[in-house]
Amino acid sequence: SAVISQKPSRDICQRGTSLTIQCQVDSQVTMMFWYRQQPGQSLTLIATANQGSEATYESGFVIDKFPISRPNLTFSTLTVSNMSPEDSSIYLCSVEGSGRRDTQYFGPGTRLTVL
Amino acid sequence: SQQGEEDPQALSIQEGENATMNCSYKTSINNLQWYRQNSGRGLVHLILIRSNEREKHSGRLRVTLDTSKKSSSLLITASRAADTASYFCATDLSGGSNYKLTFGKGTLLTVNP
Repeated sequence: SAVISQKPSRDICQRGTSLTIQCQVDSQVTMMFWYRQQPGQSLTLIATANQGSEATYESGFVIDKFPISRPNLTFSTLTVSNMSPEDSSIYLCSVEGSGRRDTQYFGPGTRLTVL
Repeated sequence: SQQGEEDPQALSIQEGENATMNCSYKTSINNLQWYRQNSGRGLVHLILIRSNEREKHSGRLRVTLDTSKKSSSLLITASRAADTASYFCATDLSGGSNYKLTFGKGTLLTVNP
């Protein structure tokens, strides 16, 4: 299984600002995923990030609001831009397990509060 | 819209009792997975059942899958206070060229000591 860390673990931000969340994996992985979990809700996939290509965004999420970088096989960042209180959520990154179309391993999440 | 729908939304039991959570989905799947989340932290994978499997066990966990009814159940036997968490089912849709999981709304399980 992969070990995933995220930074920061939590943050409180002012509206209109941006926050970049880092996701580091202890092994090389092809696919990384970014999810949002709004308070009391389930996980919603924001985008899939493959190394060397542009991230693929899900319906309702756009690159201008959630730019993603994937510079190598162990690291990715998600930026939440021009934040509003509606962006207050837990943001989680995950990676695909070694088996194709198999388990995903999740980071501990970043709890974001926007005032 | 959510692919998986869990019920109940919340379940409260006494330690030692069994807990059963159900998940229904709408379209054909490659596999269905169950995850646990403690207090808004990261998710922990519990068990995966493939579309050609009907039942799977892992320790105190038992998962069933009925593809004709598009439903799955997760049974936790002899529950412990440490099992208190939110439980989510997630489906990997068949036929899709891009791998991704779609999560249900979750069941909040409280095990009282």
